[in-house]
Amino acid sequence: GEDVEQSLFLSVREGDSSVINCTYTDSSSTYLYWYKQEPGAGLQLLTYIFSNMDMKQDQRLTVLLNKKDKHLSLRIADTQTGDSAIYFCAESPAGFQKLVFGTGTRLLVSP
Amino acid sequence: NAGVTQTPKFQVLKTGQSMTLQCAQDMNHNSMYWYRQDPGMGLRLIYYSASEGTTDKGEVPNGYNVSRLNKREFSLRLESAAPSQTSVYFCASSVIGGGTGANVLTFGAGSRLTVL
Repeated sequence: GEDVEQSLFLSVREGDSSVINCTYTDSSSTYLYWYKQEPGAGLQLLTYIFSNMDMKQDQRLTVLLNKKDKHLSLRIADTQTGDSAIYFCAESPAGFQKLVFGTGTRLLVSP
Repeated sequence: NAGVTQTPKFQVLKTGQSMTLQCAQDMNHNSMYWYRQDPGMGLRLIYYSASEGTTDKGEVPNGYNVSRLNKREFSLRLESAAPSQTSVYFCASSVIGGGTGANVLTFGAGSRLTVL
């Protein structure tokens, strides 16, 4: 079955790094995704990683994938107050044209 | 481009009433989805349509029906609303490919539904 888990909250200070963690269950997922949701808005894609990669870097974002442990993380360097939002990870089970989302992690960045 | 447009943005219903949430996309995407978002539960898939003419159940389809009217439009109907259907509903669309094979969803702004 498909299940994606995340911790619910993370609080950091401006300028620090934030690390948001995610575990998933479906080893067939070929891509794993990170989405961001700002207050009152829909989700927007931040980045995604192909399952045969260990790491992907995109400006301040670093995604690490441990396929053996089915663990995905998103690191945000130099976190800003504008990064305060809910972050969702998602898996895409092979053979299905759908995404399964986690519970979301609410990131609060304080000045 | 408008992207994914959902209507209405807000709706209050009484238990037992029916309503339809409308969704339209102008990106020529093949696939469309309806999710609901509840506190502590994340996003849960209600129904999706991989292509025009097909629909499939997601995790939480009970109490809902969908219609893929054409390639652009995908509606969600509540035939007899219940308080448990109080939620924020998101429509999304996607097309697989773009040279990567990733299935990137584009979301609407959401529809907040309250059932009294």
